Amino acid sequence: QKEVEQDPGPLSVPEGAIVSLNCTYSNSAFQYFMWYRQYSRKGPELLMYTYSSGNKEDGRFTAQVDKSSKYISLFIRDSQPSDSATYLCAMSANFNKFYFGSGTKLNVKP
Amino acid sequence: DADVTQTPRNRITKTGKRIMLECSQTKGHDRMYWYRQDPGLGLRLIYYSFDVKDINKGEISDGYSVSRQAQAKFSLSLESAIPNQTALYFCATSETGGAFNEQFFGPGTRLTVL
Repeated sequence: QKEVEQDPGPLSVPEGAIVSLNCTYSNSAFQYFMWYRQYSRKGPELLMYTYSSGNKEDGRFTAQVDKSSKYISLFIRDSQPSDSATYLCAMSANFNKFYFGSGTKLNVKP
Repeated sequence: DADVTQTPRNRITKTGKRIMLECSQTKGHDRMYWYRQDPGLGLRLIYYSFDVKDINKGEISDGYSVSRQAQAKFSLSLESAIPNQTALYFCATSETGGAFNEQFFGPGTRLTVL
């Protein structure tokens, strides 16, 4: 079983839609939960991170962590064509090693 | 201003050839990482280094070797390339300590082994 599972999509939504991206994990030692955004032909860039359980909001983006279910989510409100990218979840217990999901490709149509 | 650079950006080679991918960083970070990215498999860790004298295998190190020449330089070698090493390779860096250590990625090297 992979440490981190993520639906690869692709996910296609109209502009303005609410997008929900999700990952599940198996290692209960993970404490740090990250979302990276990767544009085509670029390296991943950190979008948001959370520590332990709970929610974190940054503009149109909200990250949620449910450690009891080993489930994390990223919500994008009022999605824009510029949000079209691949979104990768990542997790770590102590920053020594990071474990990434396979990425979900999102396309926001104008 | 590219803080993490990778060379070459694209490389096509043949089975059995020795290949070196290079990574340099100006961020002053101690930690450096090599990942490969394959469709449907995401980013997988090949090797990581916490300082010049500390190098560790990741989950898929077979067929690869690394060299940490300096704090700022971390090279990945494929001693005898094979087609299933065709992938997108990323170098990343991070700080040590602190409340949160973000990883910063280079632009990637697209390697094709024929």
